[in-house]
Amino acid sequence: QSALTQPASVSGSPGQSITISCTGTSSDVGSYNFVSWYQQYPGKAPKLMIYEGSKRPSGVSNRFSGSKSGNTASLTISGLQAEDEADYYCCSYAGSSTLIFGGGTKLTVL
Amino acid sequence: QLQLQESGPGLVKPSETLSLTCTVSGGSINSVSYYWGWIRQPPGKGLEWIGSMYYSGSTYYNPSLKSRVTISVYTSKNQFSLKMISVTAADTAVYYCARLNEVGRVDNWGQGTLVTVSS
Repeated sequence: QSALTQPASVSGSPGQSITISCTGTSSDVGSYNFVSWYQQYPGKAPKLMIYEGSKRPSGVSNRFSGSKSGNTASLTISGLQAEDEADYYCCSYAGSSTLIFGGGTKLTVL
Repeated sequence: QLQLQESGPGLVKPSETLSLTCTVSGGSINSVSYYWGWIRQPPGKGLEWIGSMYYSGSTYYNPSLKSRVTISVYTSKNQFSLKMISVTAADTAVYYCARLNEVGRVDNWGQGTLVTVSS
């Protein structure tokens, strides 16, 4: 069970849109529509931003959206804001009640 | 409001056993809707799912850690625990307890506790 693959870093200017990819296999991302995304600030616990691929929990800005194509899930943040600068992690269901996380992506707002 | 709080030693010697407890407040651990689990994060690195349990006692573990990990539930105390045997420096991490569902929606996290493995 290897970690899902995410880019180490992405960056964008305020107001722009960025997309973070999360690539797995046909045993996890490709088989289930159960990818979640988490935002983490330094020294803090992660926060759920997207679940079941594209659903947003109450209170999460609609600037955050999720999608999937094949074995790759994506998180898109539109209208980038300084407060979006954080680490982002994807997580996929991998069957038999097991989970697998991605390696994480550091988002820098220029 | 649901809150989770990890507790346990912050320093463990190599080859010994890491033991942590998660106390759940503001909600019952005896929920048919949720699982309870442990996730860790080595310093400067990514998140790793350790395992999850259902209130009934069913447990599910990361295959890479399964031989060393046990998650147990204590419903009368509204707590669940993590035991990891034969630890090494590679087990040094912030350990989070969390509420989740079966397919990975982790919607509540503890604040995390740093466990250092060192002699």
